[in-house]
Amino acid sequence: DAGVIQSPRHEVTEMGQEVTLRCKPISGHDYLFWYRQTMMRGLELLIYFNNNVPIDDSGMPEDRFSAKMPNASFSTLKIQPSEPRDSAVYFCASSLWTSGITDTQYFGPGTRLTVL
Amino acid sequence: QKEVEQNSGPLSVPEGAIASLNCTYSDRVSQSFFWYRQYSGKSPELIMSIYSNGDKEDGRFTAQLNKASQYVSLLIRDSQPSDSATYLCAVNRNNAGNMLTFGGGTRLMVKP
Repeated sequence: DAGVIQSPRHEVTEMGQEVTLRCKPISGHDYLFWYRQTMMRGLELLIYFNNNVPIDDSGMPEDRFSAKMPNASFSTLKIQPSEPRDSAVYFCASSLWTSGITDTQYFGPGTRLTVL
Repeated sequence: QKEVEQNSGPLSVPEGAIASLNCTYSDRVSQSFFWYRQYSGKSPELIMSIYSNGDKEDGRFTAQLNKASQYVSLLIRDSQPSDSATYLCAVNRNNAGNMLTFGGGTRLMVKP
């Protein structure tokens, strides 16, 4: 399996521009998570999906952030408009719910976002 | 109080020594516990999971869980310079599906 795939790996943009991050989860996994990691705040959960349905978006910082999962193999995280404080590494992770036990999350390589 | 707490470090140990990493959590109903390793500039990767009280060994790694004390630890025996990384403790949230809460991580430095 190719693992979780994210694109782009690096993104540099100017304040006010729209940014779209993409994720392909591991085939067969029914959970997908979007995280943001910074030195100051560590790894923060932004939103997660179960069977393509958003379950908890309480970690999304504000209305400028939105996420979609149109099918089981693709998800996007959009920031519009972007701000310098959005600069961070954004990770996508996926997992499979088995036998009622919280299972391992597998992380993608991340997208390093820099907003100038 | 943070939901999952770790000492940020750095924890410095000499090569060949035992490194002991600790984590406490606040949610008493948590059932699943994970240790991830993250090298600088890379994504977190799973080292071990533990679900029951006691010890779980995998090669040089041993995870220890004490639910009564809400404490989970990771021991690394015969530490190697390649073990130098940040170690993240993760705990499931109230059995809420597959959601995990991550600690801030402990940076481990193994000196040759």
